[in-house]
Amino acid sequence: SAVISQKPSRDICQRGTSLTIQCQVDSQVTMMFWYRQQPGQSLTLIATANQGSEATYESGFVIDKFPISRPNLTFSTLTVSNMSPEDSSIYLCSVDEYTEAFFGQGTRLTVV
Amino acid sequence: GDSVTQMEGPVTLSEEAFLTINCTYTATGYPSLFWYVQYPGEGLQLLLKATKADDKGSNKGFEATYRKETTSFHLEKGSVQVSDSAVYFCALTGGSNTGKLIFGQGTTLQVKP
Repeated sequence: SAVISQKPSRDICQRGTSLTIQCQVDSQVTMMFWYRQQPGQSLTLIATANQGSEATYESGFVIDKFPISRPNLTFSTLTVSNMSPEDSSIYLCSVDEYTEAFFGQGTRLTVV
Repeated sequence: GDSVTQMEGPVTLSEEAFLTINCTYTATGYPSLFWYVQYPGEGLQLLLKATKADDKGSNKGFEATYRKETTSFHLEKGSVQVSDSAVYFCALTGGSNTGKLIFGQGTTLQVKP
């Protein structure tokens, strides 16, 4: 099973700043996924990141707010830009391996 | 679009009680269905899955049967333990891309000794 490491595990940020979250997988994967879990809410897919191409964003999410990089088959970053308190959430990285999705521990972001 | 609806929580049970967490879905085509669990302080883990109608997924004493006629995937366990206290998420994926999941709102289960 895939092992996913996310950094940072948590952060408190000032509004108007940006935070970049890193996701490292212990095996090569074609697609990586970024989810958001707002307080008391379910998980919502932000975007799908393929190596060598631009990320595909879900409805309601835009590249200017959540730019994603995917430089190789084991690594991706998600940036939360120009943050506001509404961005306070847990952000999770996920990969799909043999019809099962694996998740990182998540990054708990608080914007003050 | 596709969606998943779970029963609202929190659910509080005594140890050894029977557990049911309801999950219904709306989807075009033939989705695969999943239950994920999030233990306190831990990441999301796959609990069980079913990929076609009438399939039964099972793991750690938990079971769920894919019911196409009622579009349901209810989670059951005959005798819960304190260690089962967690948040449970029902989810579906509409195609072969099992990484692209649609989640229900989650149900918090608290089991008391």
